[in-house]
Amino acid sequence: AQSVTQLGSHVSVSEGALVLLRCNYSSSVPPYLFWYVQYPNQGLQLLLKYTTGATLVKGINGFEAEFKKSETSFHLTKPSAHMSDAAEYFCAVSRTEKLTFGTGTRLTIIP
Amino acid sequence: EPEVTQTPSHQVTQMGQEVILRCVPISNHLYFYWYRQILGQKVEFLVSFYNNEISEKSEIFDDQFSVERPDGSNFTLKIRSTKLEDSAMYFCASSPLVADYEQYFGPGTRLTVT
Repeated sequence: AQSVTQLGSHVSVSEGALVLLRCNYSSSVPPYLFWYVQYPNQGLQLLLKYTTGATLVKGINGFEAEFKKSETSFHLTKPSAHMSDAAEYFCAVSRTEKLTFGTGTRLTIIP
Repeated sequence: EPEVTQTPSHQVTQMGQEVILRCVPISNHLYFYWYRQILGQKVEFLVSFYNNEISEKSEIFDDQFSVERPDGSNFTLKIRSTKLEDSAMYFCASSPLVADYEQYFGPGTRLTVT
């Protein structure tokens, strides 16, 4: 069975500050890992994914995440937060067609 | 850029009624999915569909639920007899291949059962 834990249901950062959203997973087989973003009244948009290869993956809007097998983590970072980054972020794990999501982290940007 | 569309955006129905939620996946995609998100909870997988049949389903997807691809463009989720606990946001998704599991999501249909 697979599961995802996102620490912090709400995270607030100042504009220009580092964004760090935490994700830990549990999987009995090497997982595929994803970060999705959801803006208000919109669907889920893929930010980035890890399947195989390089463990540091870069996504859209300046976000990146690093797969750390020893820590079973896939934390999402962005060096400098922008007001437009305010949204809900979901980490997800998959090894079949089914995506298993975390509970989400709502990111608020403080001007 | 191609996108997944869903109709309606909001559906209100009475308990016991049948509802059909509609989705138009991206045109060259082969795999189709439904997920739901009860308010305040995580997004949950319901079902995946490929080659005109269900390929995987969750425990949530019981006999009250069914999916269909009635023509070359639409993908529908039917709930036969809605319950209060079916109130949720329902997301449709599609993907071109299953190999990298990248799924493209629609904006969702909010279903309210009264």
